[in-house]
Amino acid sequence: GQNIDQPTEMTATEGAIVQINCTYQTSGFNGLFWYQQHAGEAPTFLSYNVLDGLEEKGRFSSFLSRSKGYSYLLLKELQMKDSASYLCAPPGFQKLVFGTGTRLLVSP
Amino acid sequence: EAGVTQFPSHSVIEKGQTVTLRCDPISGHDNLYWYRRVMGKEIKFLLHFVKESKQDESGMPNNRFLAERTGGTYSTLKVQPAELEDSGVYFCASSPTGGNEQFFGPGTRLTVL
Repeated sequence: GQNIDQPTEMTATEGAIVQINCTYQTSGFNGLFWYQQHAGEAPTFLSYNVLDGLEEKGRFSSFLSRSKGYSYLLLKELQMKDSASYLCAPPGFQKLVFGTGTRLLVSP
Repeated sequence: EAGVTQFPSHSVIEKGQTVTLRCDPISGHDNLYWYRRVMGKEIKFLLHFVKESKQDESGMPNNRFLAERTGGTYSTLKVQPAELEDSGVYFCASSPTGGNEQFFGPGTRLTVL
């Protein structure tokens, strides 16, 4: 099975940097996904880590440590539009298993 | 290129009625997934099609739910009879063969009264 743990909510100000942590236990492993979901909308893909280390993509970076069952999503130069839920998803075989997500509130 | 589409966007029905949700995946995507998010809970996997075949239906809650993907293109998810606890947002996602990223549709918000 998979147990996924993320903070429920985080707040930050525009222009700041925020790190959203995710710890997980999984019986199988095919990489780890981060998705962003704005209220009332579909989840959208942010990143996929299959190897340990940091993957950078513009303002967003994602880190993975498979041995520790730990990942984080780093958001830089926060913008108001980054207010959303961020879902950590270590996939099961050919399916995504989501945590409850972290709701990020960005204030001016 | 069109994304994943779902119909309807909202559905309000009474307990005991039947509802059918439709998902049109991205053209050419063999993998089609159904997920559900009930209020306050995480998004949960329901089932996975590869073309017209059910690859994994381990997440289907009970036999009131029936998913089909005749012809391997669009898929339907029927709930019959609907119960109050079926209320939530039903998402469909698709991915190409060998692809890791799943592309989600906008979801169907189902309310059972």
